[in-house]
Amino acid sequence: GNSVTQMEGPVTLSEEAFLTINCTYTATGYPSLFWYVQYPGEGLQLLLKATKADDKGSNKGFEATYRKETTSFHLEKGSVQVSDSAVYFCALSRRDDKIIFGKGTRLHILP
Amino acid sequence: EPEVTQTPSHQVTQMGQEVILRCVPISNHLYFYWYRQILGQKVEFLVSFYNNEISEKSEIFDDQFSVERPDGSNFTLKIRSTKLEDSAMYFCASSSHRVGSDTQYFGPGTRLTVL
Repeated sequence: GNSVTQMEGPVTLSEEAFLTINCTYTATGYPSLFWYVQYPGEGLQLLLKATKADDKGSNKGFEATYRKETTSFHLEKGSVQVSDSAVYFCALSRRDDKIIFGKGTRLHILP
Repeated sequence: EPEVTQTPSHQVTQMGQEVILRCVPISNHLYFYWYRQILGQKVEFLVSFYNNEISEKSEIFDDQFSVERPDGSNFTLKIRSTKLEDSAMYFCASSSHRVGSDTQYFGPGTRLTVL
């Protein structure tokens, strides 16, 4: 079946550090891949997405590239800020289908 | 920018009581979903709804749960007899049927607390 595996948290970094949160997936066909973010006390927000192999999704300085050969969609940011502290969920879906989420990675950014 | 809204933001109920969680999806969307997130755990799919019927449901979505689109704007999740383990954040989502569009937009959630 379809599934998403992402690195365990929490991840603690200093401000301006480089961020990578690893995500790999198992899926039939060609799913779309997403990163959602959940800020403290808030709901889920779509951060970025990629719908086909080699696509790069980007938003707010975050990037992730759809790698079909390694079935990965790692999230990166070159310089994190305190305001990036949140829980990040890697996810996949096929069109108009349910979203399958990873377990989430809590990110703490220290000033 | 259009958004999904949910009411109430927080619902407290006694075990065994019925609750109805309400959602207003984005107006031109045709696919509707409910997910839940037990505190500290991952987000889990409950049910999808299209063309006034359930498209898919998870094993969590048992006979105690039902969904309805009572009018052209609302989408509701009913839990007939709540249990302690139903305490969670419930998210509604909707998506467009436009070709190539498969992004689900989530509401802010309803936190359900069952005592």
